[in-house]
Amino acid sequence: GENVEQHPSTLSVQEGDSAVIKCTYSDSASNYFPWYKQELGKRPQLIIDIRSNVGEKKDQRIAVTLNKTAKHFSLHITETQPEDSAVYFCAARVSGSARQLTFGSGTQLTVLP
Amino acid sequence: DAMVIQNPRYQVTQFGKPVTLSCSQTLNHNVMYWYQQKSSQAPKLLFHYYDKDFNNEADTPDNFQSRRPNTSFCFLDIRSPGLGDAAMYLCATSKARGTETQYFGPGTRLLVL
Repeated sequence: GENVEQHPSTLSVQEGDSAVIKCTYSDSASNYFPWYKQELGKRPQLIIDIRSNVGEKKDQRIAVTLNKTAKHFSLHITETQPEDSAVYFCAARVSGSARQLTFGSGTQLTVLP
Repeated sequence: DAMVIQNPRYQVTQFGKPVTLSCSQTLNHNVMYWYQQKSSQAPKLLFHYYDKDFNNEADTPDNFQSRRPNTSFCFLDIRSPGLGDAAMYLCATSKARGTETQYFGPGTRLLVL
């Protein structure tokens, strides 16, 4: 089955700096890659996703890049703000199949004011 | 704007005493999922329903059961909770099996004494 590895497990940045979280996946058939943000005690919320037919997707301060050959994808947050502090999970799945999302182990991002 | 609702938000039970967690949704989604999330870990899928079709993950213990009496409601039954079952239990929905975006409920925090 799919295996998703996520690094780093914790990340501290100064407010205004950029943050990058990286994930690798094992199943070359995976073609859908969402990122979820989970604030302390709250539900995971989808913040951005990418499909394998594109290499990059942006939404304001958030971007995701995908390298299918290397089987890795990354989340980039620019101009970080304290409210970006949360746990971020990457995930992967084979779109349209019965196989479900496989999550990475999560990254605790702390944005220091 | 609650779309996926979980009750109760906190549940305390005794070792070995059956407990039921509930999830309801107003999205009319076909698929409902139950995840277990332990501290500092990724959500782990226990099982999911596609309409009335129940799909159990291979490593989900028999101690965990689920019921979906109608489209809107889904229940997680833990027949004999052990100390290791203390966790956050997340319900999620998606529109269809091939649809990617999952909407999570706020979770139920289960404590086993």
